[in-house]
Amino acid sequence: DADVTQTPRNRITKTGKRIMLECSQTKGHDRMYWYRQDPGLGLRLIYYSFDVKDINKGEISDGYSVSRQAQAKFSLSLESAIPNQTALYFCATSDAGLSYNEQFFGPGTRLTVL
Amino acid sequence: GQNIDQPTEMTATEGAIVQINCTYQTSGFNGLFWYQQHAGEAPTFLSYNVLDGLEEKGRFSSFLSRSKGYSYLLLKELQMKDSASYLCAVKRSGGYQKVTFGTGTKLQVIP
Repeated sequence: DADVTQTPRNRITKTGKRIMLECSQTKGHDRMYWYRQDPGLGLRLIYYSFDVKDINKGEISDGYSVSRQAQAKFSLSLESAIPNQTALYFCATSDAGLSYNEQFFGPGTRLTVL
Repeated sequence: GQNIDQPTEMTATEGAIVQINCTYQTSGFNGLFWYQQHAGEAPTFLSYNVLDGLEEKGRFSSFLSRSKGYSYLLLKELQMKDSASYLCAVKRSGGYQKVTFGTGTKLQVIP
């Protein structure tokens, strides 16, 4: 079973709709992240959370919000989707106790906003 | 701020050796990651360098020079399955240890 899961895996929606992307992990990690990936721009950090009570903006947080419902769950919301939010979205986890604190990524959610 | 540069694309022949370079400029450098990402899939961790020098792990090796702001990933005995994007990522020091990713190098291995 996958350690980091994302739902849905694919989503097509219309401009103005509210969308929630969900991420769950069974790795017991304290840190969770949301990225978006666009061709030619690489992975860009949207939000990150180092524990349930800690939420931080990344480099491109405008138009997004997050909720850390539990240590294992971190949701990303688009309150009013727009076409330039079409991208591949990745959730990731890490743990400060790991030697390198490397990140483990979920399988991704491909979001298309029409 | 941070600036990370790596070539956009590279092509190499099966069985050969390829070196993927990454240069960076950052304040408060802690270490440098390399990740592999096959098309449409999640990135997966390859290596982490914090000290200068070469770290070898099977067919893959990673090198770091902190004074030059330079790293490379060396792939030996290339296989077709090595066709993927390779992401360089810099971790900053400090409480949050933020990680910034480069745009990635797409490697195509040809027969």
